[in-house]
Amino acid sequence: AQKITQTQPGMFVQEKEAVTLDCTYDTSDPSYGLFWYKQPSSGEMIFLIYQGSYDQQNATEGRYSLNFQKARKSANLVISASQLGDSAMYFCAMRLNTGFQKLVFGTGTRLLVSP
Amino acid sequence: ETGVTQTPRHLVMGMTNKKSLKCEQHLGHNAMYWYKQSAKKPLELMFVYSLEERVENNSVPSRFSPECPNSSHLFLHLHTLQPEDSALYLCASSQSTGGAGNQPQHFGDGTRLSIL
Repeated sequence: AQKITQTQPGMFVQEKEAVTLDCTYDTSDPSYGLFWYKQPSSGEMIFLIYQGSYDQQNATEGRYSLNFQKARKSANLVISASQLGDSAMYFCAMRLNTGFQKLVFGTGTRLLVSP
Repeated sequence: ETGVTQTPRHLVMGMTNKKSLKCEQHLGHNAMYWYKQSAKKPLELMFVYSLEERVENNSVPSRFSPECPNSSHLFLHLHTLQPEDSALYLCASSQSTGGAGNQPQHFGDGTRLSIL
């Protein structure tokens, strides 16, 4: 069965610095997708970035990049030039590419950006 | 107009009440989902609908009853809930339920439910 592990319950970063949020996953399926979502205190889950298991390059989306290390089964999110508005919960999720689109989520990391 | 809209945002109800949560998506997607988010637990998938047909029911108690009248609307009917059902209920939609490629699920703001 798939599993997502986020070992950092909370992270602190100063404004304008970069921060890495860790995510490891477990699956025996060769085809899968990895997603990162941001959840502000308002509750909405906001899609940030996607990485396919067969993608050769790490995904980037503005200030977000995904450090994908397939052999280590890790998909860490890097946020560059942190902003106060980045303070939120961040969830890593995995979807197998077989069957229907079931997302399995980690427990999340709370990021706090300080001035 | 936001992509996925949920109403109400907050709901307080007694254990004997009957209420419904509503979700509407304006993205032209064919799949819709209900999730439960409890404190310090990963999101739990409750129900999945594809083209108004239920394709997944993750052993959810019968006091939760979903309804999908069309591909844009999804309801979660609630009756005789328990205190442990207090949680944030999130609705999501995606282009389809078939996995592959960059097809993220888009979420609403959620309904925060409190059971007295």
